[in-house]
Amino acid sequence: EIVLTQSPATLSLSPGERATLSCRASQSVSSYLVWYQQRLGQAPRLLIYDASNRATGIPARFSGSGSGTDFTLTISSLEPEDFAVYYCQQRNDWPPTFGGGTKVEF
Amino acid sequence: QVQLVQSGAEVTKSGASVKVSCKASGYTFSNYGITWVRQAPGQGLEWMGWISAYNGYTKYAQKFQDRVTMTTDTSTTTAYMELRSLRSDDTAVYYCARGGLRYWGEKAFDIWGQGTKVSVSS
Repeated sequence: EIVLTQSPATLSLSPGERATLSCRASQSVSSYLVWYQQRLGQAPRLLIYDASNRATGIPARFSGSGSGTDFTLTISSLEPEDFAVYYCQQRNDWPPTFGGGTKVEF
Repeated sequence: QVQLVQSGAEVTKSGASVKVSCKASGYTFSNYGITWVRQAPGQGLEWMGWISAYNGYTKYAQKFQDRVTMTTDTSTTTAYMELRSLRSDDTAVYYCARGGLRYWGEKAFDIWGQGTKVSVSS
């Protein structure tokens, strides 16, 4: 199965700063890479699908890029509600897999 | 609005079974599939399987193949996930999420239920 490695495990930043999160796949997933946000005590929320497409209602400060094995989620200017855990997930190959998550903390 | 509402928390013992429900509303149920994902305490997300709400076709993760059954009831727009022979390491929050209609990887999981906490004691 495809292993997704997210880095860093924890990102310590302040509101207003830029966050750059990485997701690396053990083999190509083409552009079928998805990003989710999970706030404490809540269900995951879809942010970005197919590497770079923002889901409905997701603010423009969230952007995704990459293809093949290397992907990036960027939050251009952190808002207080953005402090959460972010997961990447691939849907290119069986079985679908998730990365281990990156915690963005203040 | 489009939503998935799951059944309440469950406390059960090793060896028992649990059945979690996921009621869909605000969209045409049979036009999508339902994926089940679980999250153990303090851990990441684990994909368990998928069911098409159109024809009931399923695809399960190999890890759960022998212990899980996913079903849907189109008359009540509800999906179900039953996990048997529970162990303590099945203690987790179980989520349903809306997914693709035709196969497990057709689309991202765009709508999630609130989660159902299942606690298994020995």
